Amino acid sequence: AQTVTQSQPEMSVQEAETVTLSCTYDTSESDYYLFWYKQPPSRQMILVIRQEAYKQQNATENRFSVNFQKAAKSFSLKISDSQLGDAAMYFCAYRSAMGGAQKLVFGQGTRLTINP
Amino acid sequence: EAEVAQSPRYKITEKSQAVAFWCDPISGHATLYWYRQILGQGPELLVQFQDESVVDDSQLPKDRFSAERLKGVDSTLKIQPAELGDSAMYLCASSFALASDTQYFGPGTRLTVL
Repeated sequence: AQTVTQSQPEMSVQEAETVTLSCTYDTSESDYYLFWYKQPPSRQMILVIRQEAYKQQNATENRFSVNFQKAAKSFSLKISDSQLGDAAMYFCAYRSAMGGAQKLVFGQGTRLTINP
Repeated sequence: EAEVAQSPRYKITEKSQAVAFWCDPISGHATLYWYRQILGQGPELLVQFQDESVVDDSQLPKDRFSAERLKGVDSTLKIQPAELGDSAMYLCASSFALASDTQYFGPGTRLTVL
């Protein structure tokens, strides 16, 4: 079974600075998707960024980018120019690309605090 | 922008009572998921539907939990009887198709069992 590990329960960063959230995963599959989801307090979970395992190029969405290291099974999220609105729980998630009934497997989450 | 709707947003009940949660996925989304998120943890899948059929319910405690999606659109998750350990956030998500990689989440129902 696949597992996802986020080793940083909490992180904090000064507004406008850069922060990196760590994620490692374990799988024997070669084709899969990786995601970062953001869950603000009392609000719904939203997709931040996604990465297909077969793509070597790291995904980027505005101020959010990932460092995908397939051999190391590492998938970190970098947030540049941190804003107060970035404060939330961040979840790393894995989804197999093999077959149809594939659930998301989530990590434990990292609580990100932005200091003004 | 279309969103996944869930109700109620909050539910407080006493143990041994029955509770039900409702989810309306994004229009046109064939796949629907129910996740349970215990405080301080990541969500875990309870059940997955493709249209009206259950695709994966391997983690659903079937002695007390049931889920249905009768017409392949909205869905209901029921717990009977509720136990103290059921206190959690229940999240509904939907995706366009079974093989779609992106799931869209609703706001969740926070259940407290006293």
